[in-house]
Amino acid sequence: DIVMTQAPLSVSVTPGESASISCRSSKSLLHSNGITYVYWYLQKPGKSPQLLIYRMSNLASGVPDRFSGSGSETDFTLKISRVEAEDVGIYYCGQLLENPLTFGAGTKLELK
Amino acid sequence: QVQLKESGPGLVQASETLSLTCTVSGFSLTSYHVSWVRQPPGKGLEWMGRIRSGGSTDYNSALKSRLSISRDTSKSQVLLKMNSLQTEDTAIYYCTADTYYWGQGVMVTVSS
Repeated sequence: DIVMTQAPLSVSVTPGESASISCRSSKSLLHSNGITYVYWYLQKPGKSPQLLIYRMSNLASGVPDRFSGSGSETDFTLKISRVEAEDVGIYYCGQLLENPLTFGAGTKLELK
Repeated sequence: QVQLKESGPGLVQASETLSLTCTVSGFSLTSYHVSWVRQPPGKGLEWMGRIRSGGSTDYNSALKSRLSISRDTSKSQVLLKMNSLQTEDTAIYYCTADTYYWGQGVMVTVSS
């Protein structure tokens, strides 16, 4: 199974500042079709996960452009510019390249 | 508007079989892969398995011997059955369409 390792496990951010979350995969997530199958999700308190970024760098519908995703074949970053109160929750990376689909352990974002 | 909604018993006895239904609207089951993902209280996300748009299934090997996923396209429903439940199976169970869209989840408690 592909292991997804996130860092840090928690981050405390001042509103208006930026935050970055890292995710590393144990295997390249670059498919031969040129698509990198890493996804980012946010789970707000008491809610279902919601998709933020798909295929490494594509913003999901309705997601503010303060969110961006980047990376290589095994190292990925989610950046949140100008953090707002509504961004609080747990962020997960996940890989959809192969079965079983796997997720990172999550990064909890809090406000200072 | 795409929607998924999970339903099923909130309490199941250990050693019994869990049956959950995911009812979808706003899309066809022949257009998206529908997965089941579960989340034990206070823990991360675990992908259980999915039924592909074409009707074939994939399972997490850790659960494969106990798990069955099927669908009824006429009712727009995806069905999960998992036998030999243990207390460790206590979790929120989500269905998701390619992880782009998620249901609200259903809490299942396994009682010993």
